[in-house]
Amino acid sequence: GDSVTQMEGPVTLSEEAFLTINCTYTATGYPSLFWYVQYPGEGLQLLLKATKADDKGSNKGFEATYRKETTSFHLEKGSVQVSDSAVYFCALSPVNFGNEKLTFGTGTRLTIIP
Amino acid sequence: GAGVSQSPSNKVTEKGKDVELRCDPISGHTALYWYRQRLGQGLEFLIYFQGNSAPDKSGLPSDRFSAERTGESVSTLTIQRTQQEDSAVYLCASSAYTDTQYFGPGTRLTVL
Repeated sequence: GDSVTQMEGPVTLSEEAFLTINCTYTATGYPSLFWYVQYPGEGLQLLLKATKADDKGSNKGFEATYRKETTSFHLEKGSVQVSDSAVYFCALSPVNFGNEKLTFGTGTRLTIIP
Repeated sequence: GAGVSQSPSNKVTEKGKDVELRCDPISGHTALYWYRQRLGQGLEFLIYFQGNSAPDKSGLPSDRFSAERTGESVSTLTIQRTQQEDSAVYLCASSAYTDTQYFGPGTRLTVL
């Protein structure tokens, strides 16, 4: 079945450091890929998504590129801020349009130190 | 507009009791999903409703779990004879005609 594997946490970085959180997936066909973020005390929010190979999703300075050849969707940010401290989840949907259940990774807790 | 809402926000119950969790999706969203998030783990799919189609129940962990949805509105997740391993945050999400799911704040269930 479908699965998502993401970088084990926790990850601790200093402010303005470069961030990469790795995510790889296993799925048949052409899934849509997502990054969701859960800030402390808040619900899960969509951060960015990509629906086809070589698409780049971006939001709030974060980027991720859909790489079909490596089945990856790594999350990157050039200069992190304290406010980026949160838990990040990589997820996939097995079709690239319409409604389908999401398969999530286990989440990566990120802490940014001033 | 209003987002997905869930109630109660917290529920503490004794082992063996039944509980009902409620989800109000975004108005007009045809699809509704329930997920479970155990402490320190990722989200686990439970059940999915799409319009008037039969629900996808493939993620329900046991027959103690059931869910209903009234048309394209409110959904209720029921857990009968709760066990300690049912303790988790239960998340509801809804979506329209795209694949973007919008999540509610969750219900934290604690079974003593």
